[in-house]
Parts: sequence; C-alpha cells; structure tokens
Amino acid sequence: QSVLTQPPSVSAAPGQTVTISCSGSSSDIENNYVSWYQHLPGTAPKLLIYDNNKRPSGIPDRFSGSKSGTSATLGITGLQTGDEADYYCGTCDSSLSPWVFGGGTKLTVL
Amino acid sequence: EVHLLESGGGLVQPGGSLRLSCAASGFTFSTYAMSWVRQAPGKGLEWVSSISGGGGTIYYADSVKGRFTISRDNSKSTLYLQMNSLRAEDTAVYYCANQLYSSSWYFDHWGQGTLVTVSS
Repeated sequence: QSVLTQPPSVSAAPGQTVTISCSGSSSDIENNYVSWYQHLPGTAPKLLIYDNNKRPSGIPDRFSGSKSGTSATLGITGLQTGDEADYYCGTCDSSLSPWVFGGGTKLTVL
Repeated sequence: EVHLLESGGGLVQPGGSLRLSCAASGFTFSTYAMSWVRQAPGKGLEWVSSISGGGGTIYYADSVKGRFTISRDNSKSTLYLQMNSLRAEDTAVYYCANQLYSSSWYFDHWGQGTLVTVSS
C-alpha cells in the first residue's frame, strides 16, 4: 500500500478536462514538493510536473500541477487519446523512505 | 539528448543474484544523482535506491536494504544495482533515472527498463 493515495482510475472524453488527486500527510506532501510522471507500460516514464507546478521543456501547458496542504493535483485539459496512460505523483518523505510514489491512476480517454 | 539504457535483467532462482547496469549518455553523468525505481507486475512504481553524483551518499528502500547495493562508475557513465538474496517479490521491471534538484529532488529522465523475474 502506497504512502500517497491516488484514485485507481479516472476517465473523460476527448477535449474534456480531468484532475488526478494525490493525498499525503505532513511528513511528505505538506512539507515537500511534488512531481508527476506519465507512464505507458513498457515504456520509459516521463516527467510531467516538478516542484508542484513547473513543467519541463517540451511538456505542453495542457498539463498543470498544484498543491494545497497535504494534497496535490494534476490537471489535464483538452484531453487527447494519446494521454491514456498511468499517472504517478511522488515526493520526498521525511519519516519513511527518502522517496515515495502514489499508487498510480489509470487515465482512460473515452 | 539524454539516454539511459538498462541491461542485466533475466530469470533467476529465489536466493540468487543479479547485477543490473544502466549506461548513461547525453549529460555529465558524474554531476547527477541517480536512482533505481521498479514496477512489479500489476503494481505501481516503487523507489528502490539512490546514489549521489560522487557516490558518497546512498539510500535504500527498507524492502531491499541489506540485499541490494547501488554503485556507479563515473569513468564509464554507468550505474549499477547488485541484487543478492533475491525473492519472488523482487520480480519487476527495473528503471534507472537521473535526478535533478530545483526546489526539491525529482526524476528527470528514465530508461526503458529491464525485467527481472525471480522464480524457480
């Protein structure tokens, strides 16, 4: 069981907006920065968001991140079929292992 | 362009050993912390171990502490993971990733992974 809690799945139609939540605690999210990763099984995971809300070069502004208290959120607007993937949040943890991931959320674009 | 290529995975019996390698290119390897992250079948990502650029600072997940050893050879731009006393629950795809620090650590680039199967 992951330290960070994500919904197992979310779905939305092409062109719509979806949000994926990541819930933690004061020992992880609340006092650290969150990053988000996109993963298609069998491929290399890709960094989408770091430092809660920053996008690496090459990541479209359809992807956004935010954090409030012990929770973080990934937002994806203008959904495309190519966005179908698993999404993971991650952060440092001051009480357990140095790094923790959420359990992952499978995004389906209907 | 950053490129990370894992190798060394395969089928091993419980209690056996395996050494994974990750060949890096496209960046100054010695200045980057590196990590191993794994994904068991049907499960999510699990951080395994990290090592600083110079190799002097190392961290392990509790699940592998005492059995796995991370190391690096900066002259060869290669990261390693020596896995001993392997268990069925170590079966996973193992990814290497380089780490950057801005306001905090994050995993910047990842390799395609190498599959480790522990089974008799």
